[in-house]
Amino acid sequence: AQKVTQTQTSISVVEKTTVTMDCVYETRDSSYFLFWYKQTASGEIVFLIRQDSYKKENATVGHYSLNFQKPKSSIGLIITATQIEDSAVYFCAMRELQGGRALIFGTGTTVSVSP
Amino acid sequence: ETAVFQTPNYHVTQVGNEVSFNCKQTLGHDTMYWYKQDSKKLLKIMFSYNNKQLIVNETVPRRFSPQSSDKAHLNLRIKSVEPEDSAVYLCASSRDWGSSQNTLYFGAGTRLSVL
Repeated sequence: AQKVTQTQTSISVVEKTTVTMDCVYETRDSSYFLFWYKQTASGEIVFLIRQDSYKKENATVGHYSLNFQKPKSSIGLIITATQIEDSAVYFCAMRELQGGRALIFGTGTTVSVSP
Repeated sequence: ETAVFQTPNYHVTQVGNEVSFNCKQTLGHDTMYWYKQDSKKLLKIMFSYNNKQLIVNETVPRRFSPQSSDKAHLNLRIKSVEPEDSAVYLCASSRDWGSSQNTLYFGAGTRLSVL
């Protein structure tokens, strides 16, 4: 069965530092896609970054990067040089290549960045 | 830039009433979705539509009925609302159903309160 788990409910950091958040997933599919989305205080949900399961290289977009550990079924999100506006809820999500299901989300991690 | 439009933003109603939510996307996408986000921020897929055809119904109670007149529109009707239907309903779209790596674009959501 397809499942995504985020164990950290909230993280607080000081701006300009690095924050790391965890995500583990379960799938029977050999090929799948992992995503991170951000939900701001206004409720808007936006896509941040994606990791394809068949790629060994960790994806990087701007100050977002991923720590993909396939043997551990883990996909961590790293935000470097955090800014106040990075305060949000971050969702990990997965979609199997052949599963025939839509994107499945984790429970979210709330990040608070303070001055 | 918003490209998935939902109306209304908020709706307050009483148990047993019928409600309808509208969603329109201007991205030219083939696939649209309804997600439910509860008070704990958990995002759960409800329905997936591809080219105005229902692809997946994720074991949603029968009082929920989606409707699609064309691939750019996906509405949601709840026949007789119950207290547990209080949530934010998020509409999303993606380029197509078959490409699992496609990003989802979300609307701003409709917040439903059932008294």
